[in-house]
Amino acid sequence: LLVESGGGLAHPGGSLRLSCAASGFTFSNYEMNWVRQSPGRGLEWVSSISQSSSTIYYAESVKGRFTISRDNAENSLWLQMNSLRDEDTAIYYCARTTYNWNSWLDPWGQGTLVTVSS
Amino acid sequence: DIQMTQSPSSLSASVGDRVTITCRTSQSISKYLNWYQQKVGKPPRILIYGTSSLQSGVPARFSGSGFGTDFTLTISSLQPEDFATYYCQQSYNTPFTFGPGTKVDIK
Repeated sequence: LLVESGGGLAHPGGSLRLSCAASGFTFSNYEMNWVRQSPGRGLEWVSSISQSSSTIYYAESVKGRFTISRDNAENSLWLQMNSLRDEDTAIYYCARTTYNWNSWLDPWGQGTLVTVSS
Repeated sequence: DIQMTQSPSSLSASVGDRVTITCRTSQSISKYLNWYQQKVGKPPRILIYGTSSLQSGVPARFSGSGFGTDFTLTISSLQPEDFATYYCQQSYNTPFTFGPGTKVDIK
């Protein structure tokens, strides 16, 4: 189970910090992701972080503005969002990477809505 | 980045119909293609991973095929609970890009 929180209204240029609480699986064994969805941009992968936080990736659209982090002892994932823009308005989901020989996102949280507006 | 296209963008179908959705990628991704189903107000749910492997609990009326740049999701006999939006996603490399979606609604 993944539960996001921290969404809300932010002004352009402002900041928000999203949280994702994980339960029901061994959090430290899995890569984790943030994915967002907006009517204008569809589903967009935002960022991923490896099990030990040693490998982190960002979409070009958020690089330098967003920071992903995790705490395996707390079974928690975060997304620090700075310098927010109107186009960052979206539902933000956290999702676990599941591996076989391939990888896919499962499960997903219910999402938290971020609205950037003046 | 690998670009994804889906066709059609929407379709209307009746219960019992066979439905086919196509996904194309801008470069070859071997079999690294996943399909998700999303219902209104819910997060996406994995249906098929690795082009053709059915996720546990997903009905056998869903199937996937393809290789390289051309992929297909087929629903053999559409059921009322299948009316939703379907997305393909490539996991060949980062960033993991999604298709724009195909909305399946009731005729």
